[in-house]
Amino acid sequence: NAGVTQTPKFRVLKTGQSMTLLCAQDMNHEYMYWYRQDPGMGLRLIHYSVGEGTTAKGEVPDGYNVSRLKKQNFLLGLESAAPSQTSVYFCASRPTSGGNTGELFFGEGSRLTVL
Amino acid sequence: DQQVKQNSPSLSVQEGRISILNCDYTNSMFDYFLWYKKYPAEGPTFLISISSIKDKNEDGRFTVFLNKSAKHLSLHIVPSQPGDSAVYFCAARVYGQNFVFGPGTRLSVLP
Repeated sequence: NAGVTQTPKFRVLKTGQSMTLLCAQDMNHEYMYWYRQDPGMGLRLIHYSVGEGTTAKGEVPDGYNVSRLKKQNFLLGLESAAPSQTSVYFCASRPTSGGNTGELFFGEGSRLTVL
Repeated sequence: DQQVKQNSPSLSVQEGRISILNCDYTNSMFDYFLWYKKYPAEGPTFLISISSIKDKNEDGRFTVFLNKSAKHLSLHIVPSQPGDSAVYFCAARVYGQNFVFGPGTRLSVLP
C-alpha cells in the first residue's frame, strides 16, 4: 500500500518555466490537498479538492492551478514559475468522514527551486 | 493573521523528562485539533488528535489537552526519547473541511 505518492521529488526550474506536480493516492480518499511549506510559516493550503472533478482555492492559490480529473490523482501546475514559488510542496488526502481522528495522510514532499 | 499559533520555534528537553508543546488558536469554528510530527525530508505524519468536544486524549506516551475557554492546546510527551526529536505541527480542522497549520516547534531531546 503506497499511500500518497508525489512526483517528482526534486525539481529545479528557471523563472518563467512551467511544470506540473503529480499526487497519487491509492486509499480511495475523497479529499485531496496541496500545501507548501516555508521556513517559519508552517504548511499553507494552496488548493484542495472535495472529490473528482472539483477544485477550490486555499490560502495561497495565486500562481498555481490544479486539476482532479481522476479521483486518485491531484495535479498542481505552475504556468510561469517565480522565485517566490521556491518551496517544499506536500500533497495530502483524507476520506470524507475523516474517521475518528480527522487526520490527513501526507506524501513525502516535492522540493522545488526556481532560479 | 495566523489562526493557529505556536509561539515557541524550538524546545530542548532531556531524555526521560516531559516535553510540553503549546498551541493557541483564534477561530472557534474548529472541530478537530491535531498534532503532526515531521522528520527532515519526510512528509508530516499524524500523531494524535482531539475533538473539540473533549478536553483530553491520551495515546501511549502522548497526551493532548484542550482548553476551549483559553483557545489553547498542548501536547505532552512523557517520557521524552531521542527519537521524538522532530518538528511538531499543531493543526486545526475547520468543521469537516480544511486544515490550518501552525508554524511548527522543533523539539530536540538530548541524550
